[in-house]
Amino acid sequence: TQLLEQSPQFLSIQEGENLTVYCNSSSVFSSLQWYRQEPGEGPVLLVTVVTGGEVKKLKRLTFQFGDARKDSSLHITAAQPGDTGLYLCAGAYNNNDMRFGAGTRLTVKP
Amino acid sequence: NAGVTQTPKFQVLKTGQSMTLQCAQDMNHEYMSWYRQDPGMGLRLIHYSVGAGITDQGEVPNGYNVSRSTTEDFPLRLLSAAPSQTSVYFCASSPSAGGYNEQFFGPGTRLTVL
Repeated sequence: TQLLEQSPQFLSIQEGENLTVYCNSSSVFSSLQWYRQEPGEGPVLLVTVVTGGEVKKLKRLTFQFGDARKDSSLHITAAQPGDTGLYLCAGAYNNNDMRFGAGTRLTVKP
Repeated sequence: NAGVTQTPKFQVLKTGQSMTLQCAQDMNHEYMSWYRQDPGMGLRLIHYSVGAGITDQGEVPNGYNVSRSTTEDFPLRLLSAAPSQTSVYFCASSPSAGGYNEQFFGPGTRLTVL
């Protein structure tokens, strides 16, 4: 059982559509991070959310941390083919032990 | 800065063979870690280090050894490879431990154990 459950596992949409992916846990995290990974490369950090209820925006990407700090969502507006990739959420299980979800694999078709 | 470098990029082993995956960073980061990535499983933490001379186990440490003699290097050793260790291995570093810091990942090593 994953400590962080991500949904959906796969998502295929057309360019211009909006989408939301989710990261859920039964545990409370002091912070959650979102990474994007492209084929053949390591993950790259997109954002860190720290405060319950926090909303952060990164161009067309909007990240939200749940009020109880157990879940997070990533919303993409007007998706583009360049958004294609594996989106991973990660949280510190204790201060040193980072745990990752299994990821959402997003494909944006032109 | 080269960031985080890993060698080799690809490796094929036979069951029972040993090998070391190399990882180095030039950012003077205290925290370094090793993950394996398998389909449908995300990244799972194998071992981590909060500084030179200090290492600890992560989620899936069995079959792997690490050491940290310098700040820059954090090699991962497979003593007797098994097919279950077929995976993509990523090394990462960050300025310090904790979920607030960005982890910088290397490009990965794709390992196949026959």
